[in-house]
Amino acid sequence: DAKTTQPNSMESNEEEPVHLPCNHSTISGTDYIHWYRQLPSQGPEYVIHGLTSNVNNRMASLAIAEDRKSSTLILHRATLRDAAVYYCILSLASGSRLTFGEGTQLTVNP
Amino acid sequence: NAGVTQTPKFRVLKTGQSMTLLCAQDMNHEYMYWYRQDPGMGLRLIHYSVGEGTTAKGEVPDGYNVSRLKKQNFLLGLESAAPSQTSVYFCASSYSGVFSYNEQFFGPGTRLTVL
Repeated sequence: DAKTTQPNSMESNEEEPVHLPCNHSTISGTDYIHWYRQLPSQGPEYVIHGLTSNVNNRMASLAIAEDRKSSTLILHRATLRDAAVYYCILSLASGSRLTFGEGTQLTVNP
Repeated sequence: NAGVTQTPKFRVLKTGQSMTLLCAQDMNHEYMYWYRQDPGMGLRLIHYSVGEGTTAKGEVPDGYNVSRLKKQNFLLGLESAAPSQTSVYFCASSYSGVFSYNEQFFGPGTRLTVL
């Protein structure tokens, strides 16, 4: 599986937008970009996924670079409940085998 | 719907003891997975199953066995526990539709300590 690179940690203030970057320079044409997050003491949960175009859902937006070598997860207004580890993962659309890296620990300050 | 449930939530074993972790899902999902997460690290896939009666090895299968006798259940066994197997174990399940996105749904985890 192609690898992703994320910052170890990021900080944000409550009610401000957060941009979480992910580099994936070896992404293949068939790889989807998935984002999951893990709240403290919980299992991971799905956030969003995309292939080439930018995507929006109720939780977040995903901005994908034109060359697909990087992407950014956007939380439009961070809340304290968004404090979690965010994982950027490359895989086939079925997501049958997800390879989790160490992710980005997001801290949200009140 | 309960989603994905795991039993037990916590367990302490002595080296050499055996145990079975149970994962159950009520979403009629074909695919099920077992991951482990060590402190400060991401999840690593142990074994997975693409349907009742079938299992396959993941990234770190050594020391574990699995069985999928019923579609809704996926069991993870440790035959002879070792301290290196101290970890948090997560089960997940997903749909298997070819033309749909199949997000994985995770259970709450089992915290296992091997002394």
